[in-house]
Amino acid sequence: SQKIEQNSEALNIQEGKTATLTCNYTNYSPAYLQWYRQDPGRGPVFLLLIRENEKEKRKERLKVTFDTTLKQSLFHITASQPADSATYLCALSGGSYIPTFGRGTSLIVHP
Amino acid sequence: GAGVSQSPSNKVTEKGKDVELRCDPISGHTALYWYRQSLGQGLEFLIYFQGNSAPDKSGLPSDRFSAERTGGSVSTLTIQRTQQEDSAVYLCASSLGPEGHQETQYFGPGTRLLVL
Repeated sequence: SQKIEQNSEALNIQEGKTATLTCNYTNYSPAYLQWYRQDPGRGPVFLLLIRENEKEKRKERLKVTFDTTLKQSLFHITASQPADSATYLCALSGGSYIPTFGRGTSLIVHP
Repeated sequence: GAGVSQSPSNKVTEKGKDVELRCDPISGHTALYWYRQSLGQGLEFLIYFQGNSAPDKSGLPSDRFSAERTGGSVSTLTIQRTQQEDSAVYLCASSLGPEGHQETQYFGPGTRLLVL
């Protein structure tokens, strides 16, 4: 069955450092992959989308890579700030309008 | 413009009662999704509406769950004879749909349901 894995342990980093979050998947051939941010008590907010034929996408301090051979996406936040603290979800879609979401990884940026 | 809105924001009910949750999608968005998120869990897909097409109900966990979308806009998720395991946050999302950039979903703030 399709499986999406995100690190369940929170990632703790120091302000100014680069945060790297991982999304691995199995039994899946996604056409595209999305990253969302979710704050406590709020719905997820879309951040970036990357397609299967794209290796890398950037938006301001955010960078996403997509390796369909490794079946992995990496999500980077450079020059991290305490305001970046949140849970980050990856979502995969392929052949369907219904994406499958990972459970998310919590990021905590310490001042 | 206005984002996706959901009501109520919180709902406490007794086991066995019926509840209705409402979602107002972004104007012009033809696709609407309902998800459920339990504490510490990922988003669980429930149902998908696209325009006037028959909804994809493949994620509904039991026949106690139903949803409708009137006039291609507002949607209501109904849970009959609620059980304690129904306690969760119910999230609604909308997207432009197949004629637009359908991949990006815009989520509402969710309805927190607690079944006592």
